[in-house]
Amino acid sequence: KNQVEQSPQSLIILEGKNCTLQCNYTVSPFSNLRWYKQDTGRGPVSLTIMTFSENTKSNGRYTATLDADTKQSSLHITASQLSDSASYICVVSLQTGANNLFFGTGTRLTVIP
Amino acid sequence: GAGVSQSPSNKVTEKGKDVELRCDPISGHTALYWYRQSLGQGLEFLIYFQGNSAPDKSGLPSDRFSAERTGGSVSTLTIQRTQQEDSAVYLCASSLSGSYNEQFFGPGTRLTVL
Repeated sequence: KNQVEQSPQSLIILEGKNCTLQCNYTVSPFSNLRWYKQDTGRGPVSLTIMTFSENTKSNGRYTATLDADTKQSSLHITASQLSDSASYICVVSLQTGANNLFFGTGTRLTVIP
Repeated sequence: GAGVSQSPSNKVTEKGKDVELRCDPISGHTALYWYRQSLGQGLEFLIYFQGNSAPDKSGLPSDRFSAERTGGSVSTLTIQRTQQEDSAVYLCASSLSGSYNEQFFGPGTRLTVL
């Protein structure tokens, strides 16, 4: 069964600290994996996308990793800011199919001063 | 506009009434998706359009839900005889064709059924 699981469900950290969010998936055949950021009351916005051959991709203070063998991905946030408070959603795409996206339930991150 | 727009942003309705939710995708995006996001839950796929046709309607939760897309652009999601469990945020996304292409999401419509 194609599934995407994220952990932790929620996380509270102090401003300036680092954190890592996890995503495990069983989606196959795998095409790509995206991390989205969803601010409260807004639609999700893509942060990074990685294909099978990519291990690491950065976008500013966000760094995503992918281990296609163990089917795990992480999103590392460096020097967190208050504006990083949001839900982070892992989305895995199949190679085929009209609707081929599988969404995790997200990690709710709260950065406090 | 530059992004995906949805209207209304908020809708409060009484149980049993019909509602229509509108999505204006990014110009040129042939693929359009509707999702539902209940409080504290992940995104639930509802329906996917490629052009004006809907090759995948598998996510529609019941026959009270329907959607159409005209002119390869605007899409309308209609919920008939609304129930309280329909209360959620309905998100629309559009993209170029192909799984590698990013889906750009609208701000959503928050539906509350009293």
